[in-house]
Amino acid sequence: KAGVTQTPRYLIKTRGQQVTLSCSPISGHRSVSWYQQTPGQGLQFLFEYFSETQRNKGNFPGRFSGRQFSNSRSEMNVSTLELGDSALYLCASSGAGTSGYNEQFFGPGTRLTVL
Amino acid sequence: EDQVTQSPEALRLQEGESSSLNCSYTVSGLRGLFWYRQDPGKGPEFLFTLYSAGEEKEKERLKATLTKKESFLHITAPKPEDSATYLCAVLKTSYDKVIFGPGTSLSVIP
Repeated sequence: KAGVTQTPRYLIKTRGQQVTLSCSPISGHRSVSWYQQTPGQGLQFLFEYFSETQRNKGNFPGRFSGRQFSNSRSEMNVSTLELGDSALYLCASSGAGTSGYNEQFFGPGTRLTVL
Repeated sequence: EDQVTQSPEALRLQEGESSSLNCSYTVSGLRGLFWYRQDPGKGPEFLFTLYSAGEEKEKERLKATLTKKESFLHITAPKPEDSATYLCAVLKTSYDKVIFGPGTSLSVIP
């Protein structure tokens, strides 16, 4: 069974630009969550999508947005990039459904560097 | 406020020297507690899920236990390949967000 895939793996952008990251969950998983990981803050929850609907949201500014498609693939977008947005962005999928939440499986991450 | 803390922040062990990592949480109505292992530059790798106090799970040299306030990850006779950051995370309700702790960085010296 293929794992969670994320593209691209590395990105370099400049301040003020925008970026779109992509995540393909494990086949059959309908829940996709996004996290930002930095050395100082650890893993910070961004948002979770389930069946194309945002189910949970973390404490990030509106510059961070996401969406999920009917095939469960998800994208997150960051507009007007700031230096502090440099981080490893992780996507995790879960087989959570009507029975509730299960463990998450993470992708390799996208390393974003903002210059 | 819901919070997850982990101790120690960093741990250095000699190969074969057993020890335990701690995860303390203040969450009302715990639905589940997860342990992950993360290698540098990679995504976390799922290890265990614990659902109720008294529960234990084992995998190779790792054993996770859960009480009402904390969880322990016991590492027996560690090897250098066990070096990684170990993360715990908690879930309040079935449809809530997962809250991660800051992690414990483990180094096992040959």
